Amino acid sequence: DQQVKQNSPSLSVQEGRISILNCDYTNSMFDYFLWYKKYPAEGPTFLISISSIKDKNEDGRFTVFLNKSAKHLSLHIVPSQPGDSAVYFCAASGGGAGGTSYGKLTFGQGTILTVHP
Amino acid sequence: GAGVSQSPRYKVAKRGQDVALRCDPISGHVSLFWYQQALGQGPEFLTYFQNEAQLDKSGLPSDRFFAERPEGSVSTLKIQRTQQEDSAVYLCASTIGVNYGYTFGSGTRLTVV
Repeated sequence: DQQVKQNSPSLSVQEGRISILNCDYTNSMFDYFLWYKKYPAEGPTFLISISSIKDKNEDGRFTVFLNKSAKHLSLHIVPSQPGDSAVYFCAASGGGAGGTSYGKLTFGQGTILTVHP
Repeated sequence: GAGVSQSPRYKVAKRGQDVALRCDPISGHVSLFWYQQALGQGPEFLTYFQNEAQLDKSGLPSDRFFAERPEGSVSTLKIQRTQQEDSAVYLCASTIGVNYGYTFGSGTRLTVV
């Protein structure tokens, strides 16, 4: 079962506009959420995170919103730049039996973001 | 080193061959994770080490997969009798403690033919 889902395989945005990447989860035990960015032939790079006690976290051009009742989070990139073109993964931690406080992550399938000049 | 180093970067194995994938974490990082990423999918958890102790191996897909970290630094993921379904990128990540924003290596792309 897919506990973390990114339903949009790809997103295309014009430079300077806002990019919105979405993620849904099913496990209500998740208490920490992260976004990773991945370029080809490289490992994922941590971008931004949010704890379940918050509904928003901002870092420069990147803002993550969490809606716990809807089990939904989103990543906003404003303004989008061509260098933002990459695969973006949503990830969650804290759910499951046996405790996962050590940081085991469950990832979504990823969304390919393309920012056109 | 400055980052998490994985070797080899690419490995082609004949079906039935044994392979060993190496991970050099960032010096001093206590926690080490292995993930498997199939084509077009997100990374999936395989196993977790805290220093030399393997605390969670629930994600290892079969008993053909074995991981170790004998001295609490370098880790090796071994796959015995490789099958075509083992073809994937194997990612290693490390962190200094209970820190969710951990650092990934570039991965080893394994192709079983």
